[in-house]
Amino acid sequence: KAGVTQTPRYLIKTRGQQVTLSCSPISGHRSVSWYQQTPGQGLQFLFEYFSETQRNKGNFPGRFSGRQFSNSRSEMNVSTLELGDSALYLCASSWGGTQYFGPGTRLLVL
Amino acid sequence: AQKVTQAQTEISVVEKEDVTLDCVYETRDTTYYLFWYKQPPSGELVFLIRRNSFDEQNEISGRYSWNFQKSTSSFNFTITASQVVDSAVYFCALSEAFSGTYKYIFGTGTRLKVLA
Repeated sequence: KAGVTQTPRYLIKTRGQQVTLSCSPISGHRSVSWYQQTPGQGLQFLFEYFSETQRNKGNFPGRFSGRQFSNSRSEMNVSTLELGDSALYLCASSWGGTQYFGPGTRLLVL
Repeated sequence: AQKVTQAQTEISVVEKEDVTLDCVYETRDTTYYLFWYKQPPSGELVFLIRRNSFDEQNEISGRYSWNFQKSTSSFNFTITASQVVDSAVYFCALSEAFSGTYKYIFGTGTRLKVLA
């Protein structure tokens, strides 16, 4: 099976802009989770979607949002970007309690 | 509250040495899952192992072994005869098993450098 794919792999944006990241889970996986990884805060849970419904959410401001489509693909959106949003954003799809991660999207906010 | 502690920030060893990465966790749940992931410089988190809270058997997979002890809330990872390709950041993670949701709490990671 193909692994989790994320697009784009790299992004450069400026403060105030918005960005949309995409994640395609492993075929058959219905749960998709998103994490933010920064040197200062480490790996932090953003949210999880299952069958197009947000099932769990971390402690991030409302500027961070997501959605999941009927084919289980997921997108996350960050509006009004701040310098502190520069990070590696990781998506994971889950089966049987184990998460399998994609390669991540590196976002740089200037 | 859930918490995962990886006290070792960085470890350097010479190739062929054995190395143990420590992981200590906190949870109030009686049913939970523990994981180890490897993150090479490319950034992708690679799944290594999952252990259920009710299964305290140690696991060995090639040069890798894991020691799970509920009495000390530890889930340590040993690499035997380390190789340069083992150089990476290793994360320990905890997931509670309620409501069927997948939310992992990660430790801060241990950077392993294996020198030739």
